[in-house]
Amino acid sequence: EDQVTQSPEALRLQEGESSSLNCSYTVSGLRGLFWYRQDPGKGPEFLFTLYSAGEEKEKERLKATLTKKESFLHITAPKPEDSATYLCAGPLPGGSYIPTFGRGTSLIVHP
Amino acid sequence: DAGITQSPRYKITETGRQVTLMCHQTWSHSYMFWYRQDLGHGLRLIYYSAAADITDKGEVPDGYVVSRSKTENFPLTLESATRSQTSVYFCASSKPGLAGLETQYFGPGTRLLVL
Repeated sequence: EDQVTQSPEALRLQEGESSSLNCSYTVSGLRGLFWYRQDPGKGPEFLFTLYSAGEEKEKERLKATLTKKESFLHITAPKPEDSATYLCAGPLPGGSYIPTFGRGTSLIVHP
Repeated sequence: DAGITQSPRYKITETGRQVTLMCHQTWSHSYMFWYRQDLGHGLRLIYYSAAADITDKGEVPDGYVVSRSKTENFPLTLESATRSQTSVYFCASSKPGLAGLETQYFGPGTRLLVL
């Protein structure tokens, strides 16, 4: 059973069409929820860390939010350069500080 | 340059051969990780290390061996490569988490093809 589940698996948007990506987790006692961006042929790059329910962080057109059971990555007025795979990572159960990743959402923004 | 590097970037090998993938980081991060990334599975943890000479299994450790004699290096060895080990391998490092998880910094990846 996946501890971190991302949806949708793939998302196609028109430039300027805002949307949200979802990351839900089953681990209680969250000790950090991460969002990464991965471009084709490259390693993941850090975007945001969220530790507490209600926390929000923003960077350019991206805003990450966190509730007790899920996180959203909101993309406002996306541009083609926002096309990438977005990965979410949370902790393994049992008090581990080792992260486990969701399978990612592949985002394509058409001009 | 500071950062995390992996070598080789591309490798083609044959079934049954031993292959070692190298990872080097210059931040002196205590934690290092090896992941494999396959379509439909996302990033799966193979092994991780909390410090030099301390390693532990991740989700998919079978067929792999790691060592960490120095803080900055974390090689991954496939003792007898199989076709199912064809994948993209990523190394990552992070500081220790005092209050929770810490940001991971990833290398560029090694693309391995086992024929």
